[in-house]
Amino acid sequence: GAVVSQHPSWVICKSGTSVKIECRSLDFQATTMFWYRQFPKQSLMLMATSNEGSKATYEQGVEKDKFLINHASLTLSTLTVTSAHPEDSSFYICSARSGEASPLHFGNGTRLTVT
Amino acid sequence: GQNIDQPTEMTATEGAIVQINCTYQTSGFNGLFWYQQHAGEAPTFLSYNVLDGLEEKGRFSSFLSRSKGYSYLLLKELQMKDSASYLCAVTDSNYQLIWGAGTKLIIKP
Repeated sequence: GAVVSQHPSWVICKSGTSVKIECRSLDFQATTMFWYRQFPKQSLMLMATSNEGSKATYEQGVEKDKFLINHASLTLSTLTVTSAHPEDSSFYICSARSGEASPLHFGNGTRLTVT
Repeated sequence: GQNIDQPTEMTATEGAIVQINCTYQTSGFNGLFWYQQHAGEAPTFLSYNVLDGLEEKGRFSSFLSRSKGYSYLLLKELQMKDSASYLCAVTDSNYQLIWGAGTKLIIKP
């Protein structure tokens, strides 16, 4: 159980375009989903916390107008990287939990390359 | 501030046992998690401790001492595929998850 599906697994896009990443909890309802970014050989960095039906909470230094998060239902959250630039190239990972004290379960991640 | 410490890197031999330590100082405590992350992949959940003591799950065990702010992950009968980073994470009083920087485990034949 506790499967989180993330799509796409990898994407290459041109500078200036937007990319949408989907995160779905397949067998549980996730009131909270989290979006992380990880650069090579670095730690996970929390970008934002997404609560169903409300606005996401962004971490300091993360531009909310650039990284649009929509948590439309208890099983789906999306991250849209708008006007992507090469420096946005990274590994983006979503995670979800069924309750506050429950473990986070991660999607397989999306490797974004902006050319 | 909130802080989680774990060694940056450890090396062990195939077939041996290794213990990865984690100490934490957080605003409250609602559980400690261990995750495994292979290079280029997302983390996978290994264990959860909220009460003191040892939780065993196959070759992996996790121990918690809340009074000492200390946990360890014990890996037995090491296999080459266990080469990965191991992440310690603590849920604080607000149920925020605080992450350690991870321990890179290198297994040698």
